[in-house]
Amino acid sequence: EVQLVESGGGLVQPGRSLKLSCAASGFTFSNYYMAWVRQAPKKGLEWVATISTSGSRTYYPDSVKGRFTISRDNAKSSLYLQMNSLKSEDTATYYCARHYSSYLNWFAYWGQGTLVTVSS
Amino acid sequence: DIVLTQSPATLSVTPGESVSLSCRASQGISTSIHWYQQKSNESPRLLIKYASQSISGIPSRFSGSGSGTDFTLSINRVESEDFSVYYCQQSYSLPLTFGSGTKLEIK
Repeated sequence: EVQLVESGGGLVQPGRSLKLSCAASGFTFSNYYMAWVRQAPKKGLEWVATISTSGSRTYYPDSVKGRFTISRDNAKSSLYLQMNSLKSEDTATYYCARHYSSYLNWFAYWGQGTLVTVSS
Repeated sequence: DIVLTQSPATLSVTPGESVSLSCRASQGISTSIHWYQQKSNESPRLLIKYASQSISGIPSRFSGSGSGTDFTLSINRVESEDFSVYYCQQSYSLPLTFGSGTKLEIK
């Protein structure tokens, strides 16, 4: 059974940093593109980042490019999201998600999410 | 960026009715559209991939159709467990984008 378990969320002040983690199990982690998707309170879904199987390629929307960094450790079956220069508009539940295959397509599996609140 | 417009924003139906939810893309995206269901306080769940391809474990009452710019998610005879929010997502080009969602509620 595919399992994705996020951790690292919490309350952080504007301008500060936070690093999220996602522990994956139930599949061969190194074979899949992985992603982060967020959802602001009572809002819709927003794609945040995707990383290739080896970690050599990363993809971001303009809203987080230059501030967020996605990374992975295939030996540990773990995904990370380093978030710097956080803004109030980054407040959201952050989901770890697995793409269907080794490409940026749909999100086949989702974690339960971790809440990040950016506030002074 | 490709904008996905979902309509209606809210749909009120009685269990047993059949419904159609719309997702319109701002430009042609072939069949690169995928549908998700998100129940209250839960993570999204994939329902349909590539506009009309079924997903293992998803009830057969869910189906999808469309290509180009207009897409439809259909639910044949809505059941109580189907009342939730539905999102479409495109993978035709970056950035990956989602529609704003359609909330299916009990009338």
